[in-house]
Amino acid sequence: LAKTTQPISMDSYEGQEVNITCSHNNIATNDYITWYQQFPSQGPRFIIQGYKTKVTNEVASLFIPADRKSSTLSLPRVSLSDTAVYYCLAPTSGSARQLTFGSGTQLTVLP
Amino acid sequence: DTEVTQTPKHLVMGMTNKKSLKCEQHMGHRAMYWYKQKAKKPPELMFVYSYEKLSINESVPSRFSPECPNSSLLNLHLHALQPEDSALYLCASSHAGTGEVEVFFGSGTQLSVL
Repeated sequence: LAKTTQPISMDSYEGQEVNITCSHNNIATNDYITWYQQFPSQGPRFIIQGYKTKVTNEVASLFIPADRKSSTLSLPRVSLSDTAVYYCLAPTSGSARQLTFGSGTQLTVLP
Repeated sequence: DTEVTQTPKHLVMGMTNKKSLKCEQHMGHRAMYWYKQKAKKPPELMFVYSYEKLSINESVPSRFSPECPNSSLLNLHLHALQPEDSALYLCASSHAGTGEVEVFFGSGTQLSVL
């Protein structure tokens, strides 16, 4: 299982773009990089997933360099409701997804 | 329907009680999971079911007993729990197989053991 490392916490202000970088040096060839968001007392919510280069959806972008040893989640124009813990994962590829959560990044958006 | 439904949302039980947590999904997923999450900690994987068969048990104590009666349902039977087992228990599901796969989580059951 690929071990991921990300900052413990980040602060931002409303309307700013937030970039959270994750390191996954031992990612396997078949692993996808996946980001989840979690609010207190709720289950994690899928944000975005990618294999290489750039992926964009309606809520975020994911940048993955060619060596795939790191990735950056970009949240455009954050609001107070984006305050949450963000997890970077590289789940194993197989008959089931064995998600191993690291410490995550506590993002606090300030007014 | 892209929901994983967990019941009950809250549960308080004594150390001698037997209770069950239930999880249901109708997305056609053939992989289902139980996670445990203590306050301010990341979720920890407990069990993985793939095609209704237990494929991973992360050395979970036998007082936790999972069951997958069919492809839509997942239960977690609880017996003789300890106060330190108090936590948020999360159920999740996904398609089985390789490639891009999204894991869907339920809202969890907040368990308190007295």
